[in-house]
Amino acid sequence: GAVVSQHPSWVICKSGTSVKIECRSLDFQATTMFWYRQFPKQSLMLMATSNEGSKATYEQGVEKDKFLINHASLTLSTLTVTSAHPEDSSFYICSAGDRGRGQPQHFGDGTRLSIL
Amino acid sequence: RKEVEQDPGPFNVPEGATVAFNCTYSNSASQSFFWYRQDCRKEPKLLMSVYSSGNEDGRFTAQLNRASQYISLLIRDSKLSDSATYLCVVNVYGNEKLTFGTGTRLTIIP
Repeated sequence: GAVVSQHPSWVICKSGTSVKIECRSLDFQATTMFWYRQFPKQSLMLMATSNEGSKATYEQGVEKDKFLINHASLTLSTLTVTSAHPEDSSFYICSAGDRGRGQPQHFGDGTRLSIL
Repeated sequence: RKEVEQDPGPFNVPEGATVAFNCTYSNSASQSFFWYRQDCRKEPKLLMSVYSSGNEDGRFTAQLNRASQYISLLIRDSKLSDSATYLCVVNVYGNEKLTFGTGTRLTIIP
């Protein structure tokens, strides 16, 4: 079964709205979670590394004030897209590492964000 | 140069055929390697890890050539359900951070 839960699966909202996406590790503790963005026919691009109890580490070119990340517990990280615009429309996926399971990362189902 | 490069395809292959993908990586210090499969509008799922000695899982065989810095995936007796995008993934720094290739799109034709 799923070990990383991501919610919501699909969001459609007006330009200027802020959208929060949740990523939960279901049966393991994740000190590190990752947030990716994927545009159509492109690969996953890492946006930021979410660190439990500390600030997220953002990749070059990703605006930290636009993509707010909070990792307040060992099982939950949230990504808030602030004042979203149509160009922010994309597929956002989170992942969490659990080395004990023998694979590098478990992925959430992804959130398809459409900004009108 | 991209850290991980793949031929995007598409590869259109008849059912039952054998198909092979290659992937190259730029950082010779890369630590570990994986093939993920991604279906349309879905999250990536781990297909297999890639070991230096080569490894096989059923119809799938993965190989790593550190000297030439490439990884390969071979699919034998392809099934319709193998249609997907195959992502070459590299762990460059030895932590949990992964770098993804653009993916190779495979369509198996009946």
